[in-house]
Amino acid sequence: GQQLNQSPQSMFIQEGEDVSMNCTSSSIFNTWLWYKQDPGEGPVLLIALYKAGELTSNGRLTAQFGITRKDSFLNISASIPSDVGIYFCAGNSGGYQKVTFGTGTKLQVIP
Amino acid sequence: EPEVTQTPSHQVTQMGQEVILRCVPISNHLYFYWYRQILGQKVEFLVSFYNNEISEKSEIFDDQFSVERPDGSNFTLKIRSTKLEDSAMYFCASSYRQGDSPLHFGNGTRLTVT
Repeated sequence: GQQLNQSPQSMFIQEGEDVSMNCTSSSIFNTWLWYKQDPGEGPVLLIALYKAGELTSNGRLTAQFGITRKDSFLNISASIPSDVGIYFCAGNSGGYQKVTFGTGTKLQVIP
Repeated sequence: EPEVTQTPSHQVTQMGQEVILRCVPISNHLYFYWYRQILGQKVEFLVSFYNNEISEKSEIFDDQFSVERPDGSNFTLKIRSTKLEDSAMYFCASSYRQGDSPLHFGNGTRLTVT
């Protein structure tokens, strides 16, 4: 099956620092999505990417859809304590919108 | 902003019992999904549903699972005879269309099988 590997698995950063995480796939995706999950809650969509090479921003978040369609990265600038959570990438290779989730990056922000 | 709602938020059941998890997708969405997340692990696809039928399912979604859209607003997941390993968070999601319409998730139902 399709595998999405995220790195790093977890990270501790100081408040105000920038963060970068990425996601690589063993197969091509048509859509890349980035979600954030807080404890006890469902994934919340942060950014959706639909074209290879696309770079999209949402406030302090920026994500890119890799040219090879097998990878994506998410950057968070000037981190704040509420950025704490688990960030999942997810890819859709077509069909009925089934998305495959990555393994997650757990972010901890030290005030 | 419209959202996907799920009930109950937590369900405890004994092994072998049937459970029904309920979801109300966003009202103008056409595609519906169930995902599950075992504690500390990634979110896994179970099933997608469109036009009143299952469009895709994973190997997890065996004969013990079924889905239904009994009316114009609810979408349910039934587990016929629960096993201990069914304990997980179950997330419902919906989307408006294929391709360029991302999935929106509910807050999940935590199922605990004892």
